[in-house]
Amino acid sequence: DMKVTQMPRYLIKRMGENVLLECGQDMSHETMYWYRQDPGLGLQLIYISYDVDSNSEGDIPKGYRVSRKKREHFSLILDSAKTNQTSVYFCASSHRGDNQAPLFGEGTRLSVL
Amino acid sequence: KTQVEQSPQSLVVRQGENCVLQCNYSVTPDNHLRWFKQDTGKGLVSLTVLVHENDKTSNGRYSATLDKDAKHSTLHITATLLDDTATYICVVGDRGSALGRLHFGAGTQLIVIP
Repeated sequence: DMKVTQMPRYLIKRMGENVLLECGQDMSHETMYWYRQDPGLGLQLIYISYDVDSNSEGDIPKGYRVSRKKREHFSLILDSAKTNQTSVYFCASSHRGDNQAPLFGEGTRLSVL
Repeated sequence: KTQVEQSPQSLVVRQGENCVLQCNYSVTPDNHLRWFKQDTGKGLVSLTVLVHENDKTSNGRYSATLDKDAKHSTLHITATLLDDTATYICVVGDRGSALGRLHFGAGTQLIVIP
């Protein structure tokens, strides 16, 4: 069953706390992504990973870091979360290639108070 | 700078009616264009992909066109159902981008009423 699983689905944190968002996929996809979605805006790319320990910054990497130690698992870390990081975060994965359709998780709704 | 513009922002139709969603983009170079459906509180699900100049695709009641010269795409939904209520997102991929960069529109929110 092809699936991208995000945990947790909902999270409330206080400003300054650390946040860990987890993403897993069972399709052995090489490429994985972290996006954030804010009202009225298109999804914005935070980080992209091409395989284990092969990560690149996206358009808005500031305030975030990632970890990919296994192909099936990609984590997004917020060190000392800020209120403007309140958003819905989506993880996606795909096989390599320009036209490969990314498969999306159902999102993590993060509120930073 | 917004490189993918979708219109209308929102749309209400009655069940059974047809509707057309528009996507204009300025992404250069443009490799492919994909339409996604996003149900409320869910992830994005790919509906169709268009790659070549003047491509047309069909997926059940969904059909799409691409005019690369005009950098314009349309998504047609025929005989809408209540389950078509969702946000439809247009995404353009860079050609030959080493990062496989995707450019997302903000989406059209479609509401289908009985």
